[in-house]
Order: sequence, then structure tokens, then C-alpha cells
Amino acid sequence: QSALTQPRSVSGSPGQSVTISCTGTSSDVGGYNYVSWFQQHPGKGPKLMIYDVSQRPSGVPDRFFGSKSGNTASLTISGLQADDEADYYCCSYAGSYIFVFGSGTKLTVL
Amino acid sequence: EVQLVESGGDLVQPGGSLRLSCSASGFSVNDFGLHWVRQAPGKGLELTSSISPNGDITYYADSVKGRFSISRDNSQNMLYLQMSSLRAEDTALYFCVTGSAYYYDQWGQGTLVTVSS
Repeated sequence: QSALTQPRSVSGSPGQSVTISCTGTSSDVGGYNYVSWFQQHPGKGPKLMIYDVSQRPSGVPDRFFGSKSGNTASLTISGLQADDEADYYCCSYAGSYIFVFGSGTKLTVL
Repeated sequence: EVQLVESGGDLVQPGGSLRLSCSASGFSVNDFGLHWVRQAPGKGLELTSSISPNGDITYYADSVKGRFSISRDNSQNMLYLQMSSLRAEDTALYFCVTGSAYYYDQWGQGTLVTVSS
């Protein structure tokens, strides 16, 4: 399984919106509606932000929005806040206990 | 409270072996797939190994195939990773992870494996 493709970095000012893309293949992102997104602050473990493409776990603000079209999933963060600055990873189910992660995107809040 | 606690990470020489353990508490692992995800220093997340609830299905990333072996003991709520022929590129924080069939929602704090002479 090859890593899903994410932009290396994105940035935005407080209050703005940013979108992070995650491109895979028909064997992962395109083949299942099971894309999740994780936020990771430096020195911390990953935190689930989105699952099943667009579902938010309890406690995740609705500023975080997930979507998918074909082989590409996206995470949109609106109303950027300083604490959103972190690394973000997408992750797709790829069948039978197999998951593939994205390459990771560093979000900078200017 | 659901918790996953990894142990066994250490400094090991290239070519050496190491066994990682993961103790689960607050829930029964019987119904869940279990996974080892690693993160090399300054790098991204990589699934190395997975095991089905009853252990009959395993998955290994190409990077570890033939060198790592994942196993579980449901009676003890434990997950293991036997690592051999370790290489410098295996240096990473190893996370024990579980969740639904289609996403991860429980992560341990990680155990650090350093492969160096």
C-alpha cells in the first residue's frame, strides 16, 4: 500500500478557511466511504477529527468538515484558530484490517 | 476508562530483536482488530501490522514483512509485536491502536524503539 498524497503544508490566517486534500486510488479512498482524519500536535498522539468521510466524533467542533469525491478526500477547517496549528493526516480503510495513511500536512495559522 | 499502554521499546543494535507489548484496559479486545502504527522521528504515520479479532487474519506492511510478527492474547487483553532483524529505519515511536472496523479511535501513548550501534 502506498501512502495517500497530501500537500506538505497549508496555511491560513485566524478566521479564514483552509482545505487539505488527500488523494489515493480506487483501492482505498475511492473504493470505500471510510476516510478518517487525525490531528497531531507536536509531541502528542493523533486525535481523531473525522471518520467515515464526514462524521465528527463527539467533542470535535463543526468547524471541521470532511468530504470525498472519487479518489480524493478533503478536510476543510473553517474559522481557523491558533490551536488548529498542527499536523493533519488522512487515513483510508483499504480492506481486511488494512489502513493506509496520508503523507501528512502541516497547518500553519499565520 | 479505555486505555492502551505499550511497553518494551528500547535501544537495540542493528540486526537485533525486540518484543513490544500492549495492555488494554477498560474494554475487551475480543471484538476488535488491533494494529501497530509507527512514526519515525519527524515523519508521518505508517501502519506496520494488523491482526483480526480472533487472530486468523494478519497484515504486514512490505517494509516489515518477514521480520515482524503480530500476535494477541485475548484472555489477557494483550497485543504483541515481535520484531527481528531490526534496521536503523525501524527507529520510531510504536503505537498500539484499535477502533471500529473502519477507523482508529483509540491510541496508546507509544513506545520508542531506537535501532543504533
